[in-house]
Amino acid sequence: AQRVTQPEKLLSVFKGAPVELKCNYSYSGSPELFWYVQYSRQRLQLLLRHISRESIKGFTADLNKGETSFHLKKPFAQEEDSAMYYCALSGRGGGATNKLIFGTGTLLAVQP
Amino acid sequence: DVKVTQSSRYLVKRTGEKVFLECVQDMDHENMFWYRQDPGLGLRLIYFSYDVKMKEKGDIPEGYSVSREKKERFSLILESASTNQTSMYLCASSPSGVLNNEQFFGPGTRLTVL
Repeated sequence: AQRVTQPEKLLSVFKGAPVELKCNYSYSGSPELFWYVQYSRQRLQLLLRHISRESIKGFTADLNKGETSFHLKKPFAQEEDSAMYYCALSGRGGGATNKLIFGTGTLLAVQP
Repeated sequence: DVKVTQSSRYLVKRTGEKVFLECVQDMDHENMFWYRQDPGLGLRLIYFSYDVKMKEKGDIPEGYSVSREKKERFSLILESASTNQTSMYLCASSPSGVLNNEQFFGPGTRLTVL
């Protein structure tokens, strides 16, 4: 079955502490992995995707095919990082495979 | 800048009413999607469309239908609204292509069914 699991509903850290938002997936084939973010009163938007291998707002995520994980990390959390984070996957091939499967989301709260 | 707009931010309807949620995108994207977003459940795909007049069921299509008569517009229809359809509804669009592409989301419509 195709599935994305985010085990933590809420992650609370202090400003300056490291952050790791966990994401595990189940997919038959080679998926594309994404992290989407929703800040308070803003629309959901793409944060990063594994194929880009880039760091956005200090966040990185490495695809570990052996552990089927795509954890999101940041070495030093900032208060403005507080948001809801969703891990998502999709297939490759265009057309109907472009649909995303989302995890249940993790609310990151960065305390001052 | 991709713009996805939804017809209403907040909507209150009564049980049994027919409800239309409209979504328009201005970037000529082939793919359009409707999700509902519920606390603890994340985003669940209701329907999607990868071309005009084409539609595919998502994970939770029961109680919903869709219409895509024009490329830029994708409508979600609740034939007979029920209280368990109270939710946040998100529309998204993306370009087509072999490699998966970023989905761009609208601001959402918070629907309350009384």
